[in-house]
Amino acid sequence: NAGVTQTPKFRILKIGQSMTLQCAQDMNHNYMYWYRQDPGMGLKLIYYSVGAGITDKGEVPNGYNVSRSTTEDFPLRLELAAPSQTSVYFCASRAEGRANTEAFFGQGTRLTVV
Amino acid sequence: AQKVTQAQTEISVVEKEDVTLDCVYETRDTTYYLFWYKQPPSGELVFLIRRNSFDEQNEISGRYSWNFQKSTSSFNFTITASQVVDSAVYFCAIINNAGNMLTFGGGTRLMVKP
Repeated sequence: NAGVTQTPKFRILKIGQSMTLQCAQDMNHNYMYWYRQDPGMGLKLIYYSVGAGITDKGEVPNGYNVSRSTTEDFPLRLELAAPSQTSVYFCASRAEGRANTEAFFGQGTRLTVV
Repeated sequence: AQKVTQAQTEISVVEKEDVTLDCVYETRDTTYYLFWYKQPPSGELVFLIRRNSFDEQNEISGRYSWNFQKSTSSFNFTITASQVVDSAVYFCAIINNAGNMLTFGGGTRLMVKP
């Protein structure tokens, strides 16, 4: 059972480039989340999804886009990368409709924009 | 809106000392759920415990214990007889009753010195 898988693990982007961070889970979880963690800081919610076809903004959505065409996948798109988007990105998933279940996290993607 | 505050950004102790990590939360929901996660130097997020808002019973798991006090909106975490392997960043988090918004505190970096 793989859990939550994020790819790539590391990436260096030049300013203005675009990329997609991939996230897949095999636990049939409906709820999925994207967070960013700046150095020495906590996790800030970028976007979340409560099911296929449904996404919503979190605390820091500017500069990002998401889609949720399947239950398993929740890719995060960066358009026109900026140095301020240098961060570690975590994807997480939770079981549907049960608020007391914990979130399972991927290993993270370390992104550097230069 | 909900919020989690971890006022202690860094704590340093000597091995075998007891240490308490503070967590204070804000929410308008009457039903909510609280979590603690550990982030070791390797970077992954490890689930430690969850607590329902209607269950104020404290919990002990080995050297770890949690004190939930609804009256003060606090969910503190104590490590007894700390060990070097406890060195990590610890995050407190809250999820709303609808189960969609999972909000993290800023984290407390614990350094346990031999």
